[in-house]
Amino acid sequence: EPEVTQTPSHQVTQMGQEVILRCVPISNHLYFYWYRQILGQKVEFLVSFYNNEISEKSEIFDDQFSVERPDGSNFTLKIRSTKLEDSAMYFCASSVALLAGELFFGEGSRLTVL
Amino acid sequence: KQEVTQIPAALSVPEGENLVLNCSFTDSAIYNLQWFRQDPGKGLTSLLLIQSSQREQTSGRLNASLDKSSGRSTLYIAASQPGDSATYLCAARVNAGNMLTFGGGTRLMVKP
Repeated sequence: EPEVTQTPSHQVTQMGQEVILRCVPISNHLYFYWYRQILGQKVEFLVSFYNNEISEKSEIFDDQFSVERPDGSNFTLKIRSTKLEDSAMYFCASSVALLAGELFFGEGSRLTVL
Repeated sequence: KQEVTQIPAALSVPEGENLVLNCSFTDSAIYNLQWFRQDPGKGLTSLLLIQSSQREQTSGRLNASLDKSSGRSTLYIAASQPGDSATYLCAARVNAGNMLTFGGGTRLMVKP
């Protein structure tokens, strides 16, 4: 069964360092998303991406964050200068359609900022 | 702003019991609502998606209902098994928006 894959599964970094989280969405999906879950808190929306541009972003997704689809298969989330509060599980998701589409999530990348 | 709440936060039942998980949302102008399962330290597995025009969806032992007017959705699990132990999350998509708004989840423990 097709699935969303994410790498790395866990990354530990020092505050101020740049981090890139990678995702391979399901191949025929057109809409891509990043969500995050801080330990013990709700899953929160970060950004959605379609047709090589951001279609919506939350207040969390400030100038320290960026997304890119560098080739036909990968979708990346970059955090430019990590802060302690960026420590969270980051989930990539994809869907075939926008409003009516079912979202399929990856296993997540756990980011620990020291 | 859409708020999604799930009650109870935790539930423990004996194996074989039928159970209902509740999800409520403040903005009834939702486009759809999706239920997920999350195992500890793992990703979100989609269980059921209900469009706003639908009243319920079924998959195996799972049945999800949606009542937009009252701002509620329920997930019914029949004949629960220890393997059903996980956190169950509901998430609502508001009309014309890309984002899902998640509830805090119900942590289910099914005891053998």
